[in-house]
Amino acid sequence: SAVISQKPSRDICQRGTSLTIQCQVDSQVTMMFWYRQQPGQSLTLIATANQGSEATYESGFVIDKFPISRPNLTFSTLTVSNMSPEDSSIYLCSVPDQGDSYNEQFFGPGTRLTVL
Amino acid sequence: AQKITQTQPGMFVQEKEAVTLDCTYDTSDQSYGLFWYKQPSSGEMIFLIYQGSYDEQNATEGRYSLNFQKARKSANLVISASQLGDSAMYFCAMRELNDMRFGAGTRLTVKP
Repeated sequence: SAVISQKPSRDICQRGTSLTIQCQVDSQVTMMFWYRQQPGQSLTLIATANQGSEATYESGFVIDKFPISRPNLTFSTLTVSNMSPEDSSIYLCSVPDQGDSYNEQFFGPGTRLTVL
Repeated sequence: AQKITQTQPGMFVQEKEAVTLDCTYDTSDQSYGLFWYKQPSSGEMIFLIYQGSYDEQNATEGRYSLNFQKARKSANLVISASQLGDSAMYFCAMRELNDMRFGAGTRLTVKP
């Protein structure tokens, strides 16, 4: 199984500022996913990040607001830009199992973001 | 488009009894995977069980089993011999090709 770490684990930020969340995986993976979980809600896919190409964003999410980097096969960052209180959520990165097959997908511990 | 439906916002079960958490899905693809995750109050997502669309046998993992009824497009999670530590949010998810989508979740409370 993949071990995923995220930094920071939590943060409290002022509106209008930006926060970059880091995701580190202990193995090389082709795809990494970023999810948002708003308070009391389910997980919503923000984007898929493939190494060496632009991230693919889901409807309702744009690159200017959530720029993503994927410099190598074990690391990715998600930036939440120009934050507002509505961005207060848990942000999770996720990877499929090492074989990139269907039968497991792992999640990082999440970054709890509060925007004042 | 994918759609995952969990119709039970909250469920209660007595300790040591079994409980079924419902999940239905909608897809036009023939190849997909169904997952259940547990999310305790700490917020981590714990993978419980997986069922592939071509798997004929229902998946089992310890006290967890997945009741897969493909024609009905349902993938219910059965937890046997509930424990107090099973109290958490449970999410059903489906993956087609690359991305995974989640249901709204069911909050399970195990009563002593």
